[in-house]
Amino acid sequence: DIQMTQSPSSLSASVGDRVTITCRASQSIGSYLSWYQQKPGKAPELLIYAASSLHSGVPSRFSGGGSGTDFTLTISSLQPEDFASYYCQQTYNTPYTFGQGTKLEIK
Amino acid sequence: QVQLAQSGAEVRKPGASVKVSCKASGYSFTSYYIHWVRLAPGQGPEWMGVINTSGGFTNYAQKFQGRLTMTRDTSTSTVYMEMSSLRSDDTAVYYCARWGGIAVAAADYWGQGTLVTVSS
Repeated sequence: DIQMTQSPSSLSASVGDRVTITCRASQSIGSYLSWYQQKPGKAPELLIYAASSLHSGVPSRFSGGGSGTDFTLTISSLQPEDFASYYCQQTYNTPYTFGQGTKLEIK
Repeated sequence: QVQLAQSGAEVRKPGASVKVSCKASGYSFTSYYIHWVRLAPGQGPEWMGVINTSGGFTNYAQKFQGRLTMTRDTSTSTVYMEMSSLRSDDTAVYYCARWGGIAVAAADYWGQGTLVTVSS
């Protein structure tokens, strides 16, 4: 199975900050990497697919980058509604494994 | 609009089985695969498997082989996820999710989740 290592596991930041979350795959996955946001009590929501493509309706302050084994999710200017958990997922090979998540909290 | 409506919370004893439904609406049911993902307390999401809603073919994570069954009913646009021999560590929220197709290769719409609690 492909292991996905996400960092940091938690992050404190302020409204307006720029934050970056990283995700590393245990082997090359090309651009088969997605990012999801999850708020408490809600289902995950797709933010980014194919490493850097913004899903419909997602604000442009979210961006994704990387290929191969190293990927990033960047939020350019944090808004109050962005404080949530974030997960990466590889969709290169089944099982489509997820990272352990990053919890983004208000400083 | 695309919607995936899941069945309600379930409580089971260890060793029992559970069957969760996921009814799709707002799109062509047989044009998109459905995946199942679970989220246990304090853990990251876990991919369980996928069903081809057109042909009924399935692909399960090896971890669940032998006790996981996914089926679909095209007449009602519903997918079912059944898991047997439940253990306490199967306690989690179970989600169905639509796969966005080859170009997207990600879960673009999700059900609301079904809490399955396994406890004696």
